Amino acid sequence: AQSVTQLGSHVSVSEGALVLLRCNYSSSVPPYLFWYVQYPNQGLQLLLKYTTGATLVKGINGFEAEFKKSETSFHLTKPSAHMSDAAEYFCAVSPYGGATNKLIFGTGTLLAVQP
Amino acid sequence: KAGVTQTPRYLIKTRGQQVTLSCSPISGHRSVSWYQQTPGQGLQFLFEYFSETQRNKGNFPGRFSGRQFSNSRSEMNVSTLELGDSALYLCASSLERDGNIQYFGAGTRLSVL
Repeated sequence: AQSVTQLGSHVSVSEGALVLLRCNYSSSVPPYLFWYVQYPNQGLQLLLKYTTGATLVKGINGFEAEFKKSETSFHLTKPSAHMSDAAEYFCAVSPYGGATNKLIFGTGTLLAVQP
Repeated sequence: KAGVTQTPRYLIKTRGQQVTLSCSPISGHRSVSWYQQTPGQGLQFLFEYFSETQRNKGNFPGRFSGRQFSNSRSEMNVSTLELGDSALYLCASSLERDGNIQYFGAGTRLSVL
């Protein structure tokens, strides 16, 4: 069965500091991996996705993630945090090698950015 | 281009009632998926529809059902509401069912009293 583990339900960083949100996945088939962000009282917005090809994926708002098959990880990073990055972040995997739109989500990481 | 529209945004129901939520996907999108989001269980997949057919279903009781119309709009219904059904229900649409990007609506927040 596919699953996603996000380490750290709450992460706090200072404005301008590096953001690192951790995600490990389990999948019996080549996974499609996603990072979504959710602001209060809103739906989910896609930050970036990995399907095949280049393992370093760049997304919106300066975020990027690296797919590491050997570590089954897909950690999200941003070199310099901004106050507007405060939100909840979800890592997700799409099973069956992308043959369905079903997403399995991690439990989320709430990012706080301190001034 | 308009995004995914979910109506209503908020609902208050009492135990035992039934409820219908609506989702209008982005124009041209044929796949619609539904998710339940709660503080305790997180985001859980309910079901996916593609061209009016249910293609995938999550582990929810039969009280949860859905359908998709020929214009790709989708509805989900919950019968005999329980307190534990209180949640944010999110709808997502995509162009194809091959793992393409899913676009989410703002959700319907259901409170069961």
